[in-house]
Order: sequence, then structure tokens, then C-alpha cells
Amino acid sequence: DADVTQTPRNRITKTGKRIMLECSQTKGHDRMYWYRQDPGLGLRLIYYSFDVKDINKGEISDGYSVSRQAQAKFSLSLESAIPNQTALYFCATSGQTSTRYNEQFFGPGTRLTVL
Amino acid sequence: GQQLNQSPQSMFIQEGEDVSMNCTSSSIFNTWLWYKQEPGEGPVLLIALYKAGELTSNGRLTAQFGITRKDSFLNISASIPSDVGIYFCAGQRNQGGKLIFGQGTELSVKP
Repeated sequence: DADVTQTPRNRITKTGKRIMLECSQTKGHDRMYWYRQDPGLGLRLIYYSFDVKDINKGEISDGYSVSRQAQAKFSLSLESAIPNQTALYFCATSGQTSTRYNEQFFGPGTRLTVL
Repeated sequence: GQQLNQSPQSMFIQEGEDVSMNCTSSSIFNTWLWYKQEPGEGPVLLIALYKAGELTSNGRLTAQFGITRKDSFLNISASIPSDVGIYFCAGQRNQGGKLIFGQGTELSVKP
């Protein structure tokens, strides 16, 4: 079974609709992240959470919100989707191994298309 | 925002050839990570580097943490078709801090 799962894997929606992308992990990690990938731009951080009560904005948080429902669950919402939010979205997790939080583990991604 | 410059953007090589790619930054990083992404999948961690000058191997892959702490290199020896994918570098200033990703190097291997 995958350690980091994302649902849905693909979604097509219309401008103005509210969309929620969900992420679950069984790795027991306390830190979770949402990234967006666009061709030629690598991955850019949207939001991150170091524990259930800690939510932080990343590089490109405008137009997005998140909820950390439990240690294992971190969801990303687009309140009113717009076409330039069409992208691949990845959830990632990290946890303390010895003294390191550095290594992040990614889910399989959600391909979102906003028409 | 902070950017890493990764080059080349793409490579088309023959099976059996060696591959080199690199990442540079204007800022110092304390950790460098290299990821590979295959079509339809999320990035998978290949190698993590924690010390300036460190050279680490993972099978046919070798990565180095530059002495200046502003760059890192990834080499793939004797490439095979399954090496195809996008390779990303990522830098981190502080332990547990945010990762900054390069733009990716897309590798194509011709059998």
C-alpha cells in the first residue's frame, strides 16, 4: 500500500467551482506539504503544516486554503477555481529520522484542470 | 522567490552514455536532495547530501554537495532506458526547513 495517497488523481472542473484535494499518509510523519507543479517551473510550495495546530503559507498561497484534520490528513481547497490553477498538485510528508526532517516523501499527484 | 538554477533543462542521450546535471544557487544551502519523477508519479528521493564536499552514491547514481554549498551535481553512469524521467534538485537552508526546487532536467534515453 502507498504511504502517501492523494484523491482524486484527476479532476476537471469549471471556473468558480470549489474544489478540495485530499492527502492521507500512513508514514506517521508530523509534517505535511502541498506543492504545485507547472511545466518548466519545478515544484512550488503552496502551504505546509508542521503539526495539527500549525499551518504556514508557502511561496504561492493566494487562492488556496488548507485544513489539517488529523496528523495523517492534510487537504487543499480552491475556494473559487480559475484556469491558471490548472496544474499537477503534490502532497508530501516528512518526519524525524534520527535528527533529520529533511527528506520529503511525495504522493502520486492530482492532475487538476480548470475550464 | 528563491530559485535554484538547474541545467541542462533536457538531455537526449544514447543508452550506455554517462549523464551529468547540476544545480546552482546564489545562496548557501545546508542540505541538497535529488529526486526523480516518472510520468504519472510523484518525485522519488534518490540521494540526500548533508555536508559540503560530500559525495554519495546510489547504484549508478552519484551526487556531490559542492564545497561552496551553493551547488550540487548528479551523475548517472551507463544510462539505461528506465533512467528516463525528470530529475529535480532541491535545496534546504535549515534542517526541516522548506525545500526549494530546481526547474528539473528531463532525461530521454534512446535504446
